[in-house]
Amino acid sequence: AQTVTQSQPEMSVQEAETVTLSCTYDTSESDYYLFWYKQPPSRQMILVIRQEAYKQQNATENRFSVNFQKAAKSFSLKISDSQLGDAAMYFCAYSGNTPLVFGKGTRLSVIA
Amino acid sequence: DARVTQTPRHKVTEMGQEVTMRCQPILGHNTVFWYRQTMMQGLELLAYFRNRAPLDDSGMPKDRFSAEMPDATLATLKIQPSEPRDSAVYFCASGPRTASYEQYFGPGTRLTVT
Repeated sequence: AQTVTQSQPEMSVQEAETVTLSCTYDTSESDYYLFWYKQPPSRQMILVIRQEAYKQQNATENRFSVNFQKAAKSFSLKISDSQLGDAAMYFCAYSGNTPLVFGKGTRLSVIA
Repeated sequence: DARVTQTPRHKVTEMGQEVTMRCQPILGHNTVFWYRQTMMQGLELLAYFRNRAPLDDSGMPKDRFSAEMPDATLATLKIQPSEPRDSAVYFCASGPRTASYEQYFGPGTRLTVT
């Protein structure tokens, strides 16, 4: 079965700085997708970014980008120019032949 | 701005009572998912549907939980009888007809069973 591991339960970053959240996964599938979701205090789960495994180019969405290392099964999220509104739980998720498998999450605090 | 809607947003009930949660997926999405989120277990997939047909409900306690899609615009999750351990946030999510299981989540229903 596929597993997703987020080894950093909590992280903090100064406003305007850059932070990287780690995610590793385990799978025997060759074709799959990876996602990062953000859950602010409102509890709403917001899709931040997605990456197709067959694409070598790393996905970017404004201040959010990923470092996808397929051989290492690593999928980290980089947040540039951090803002107070980025404070939230961040979940890494995997999707192959079955629906999303989520990591346990990383709580990000942004310090003004 | 299309989004998934869920009702009620909050529900407090006594043990033994029936609870029904409703979800309206994004128009045009053909997959619907139910999740439960707790501090201890994180996000758990309870059940999901494609084109209104249940594909997997192995995550649900079968004796008390049931999930249905009476039509393409409504999904329901029912608990009968409810127990204190069912207290959690229940999310509905829907996804478009793609291979990626990309999902868009509703705001959740916070259920408290006393």
